Amino acid sequence: AQSVAQPEDQVNVAEGNPLTVKCTYSVSGNPYLFWYVQYPNRGLQFLLKYITGDNLVKGSYGFEAEFNKSQTSFHLKKPSALVSDSALYFCAVRDITSGTYKYIFGTGTRLKVLA
Amino acid sequence: SQTIHQWPATLVQPVGSPLSLECTVEGTSNPNLYWYRQAAGRGLQLLFYSVGIGQISSEVPQNLSASRPQDRQFILSSKKLLLSDSGFYLCAWSVGRLDTEAFFGQGTRLTVV
Repeated sequence: AQSVAQPEDQVNVAEGNPLTVKCTYSVSGNPYLFWYVQYPNRGLQFLLKYITGDNLVKGSYGFEAEFNKSQTSFHLKKPSALVSDSALYFCAVRDITSGTYKYIFGTGTRLKVLA
Repeated sequence: SQTIHQWPATLVQPVGSPLSLECTVEGTSNPNLYWYRQAAGRGLQLLFYSVGIGQISSEVPQNLSASRPQDRQFILSSKKLLLSDSGFYLCAWSVGRLDTEAFFGQGTRLTVV
């Protein structure tokens, strides 16, 4: 079965410091991986995705993610965190094995950027 | 451009009352549609998905049902709400290709009292 894991419930980082939010995946075949951000009482906003090609994917709001096949990881990164980056972040994988194409989400990581 | 509308934004319903949440998508045709529930501000649980009109797949047996009466309309329903149905309900859509992301509505906060 396709799945993603986000090992950290919460990540704290000081404003201006680099941030990393971790995600590992378990898939059959090629992974289709996504990152989303959610602000309080809002829907999820798409940040970036990895489908194929360059292992470093750039997305919205200065975020990027590094795909690592050997470690089955897809960590979200940003060189310099902003207080406004504080939110809930979700990693997701698209299920390509069952023919449903549904999205399977991790449990989420709350990012707190401290001023 | 495509947009997704979900309403209402908040809803307070008594136990045992019916439920109807509606989601519509504009600017695309034959989208894949999804209903997710998020409990306590954490992980998303897929409830239903649909790849076409009248085609509904249920992920978790429960007190809810879904219908897709039109191509871009997805409805989440219940005949009798339970306290455990409280949560944040999110509708999403995507195109059928594997390499595309899903786009989410703004969600409905349902409180069953």
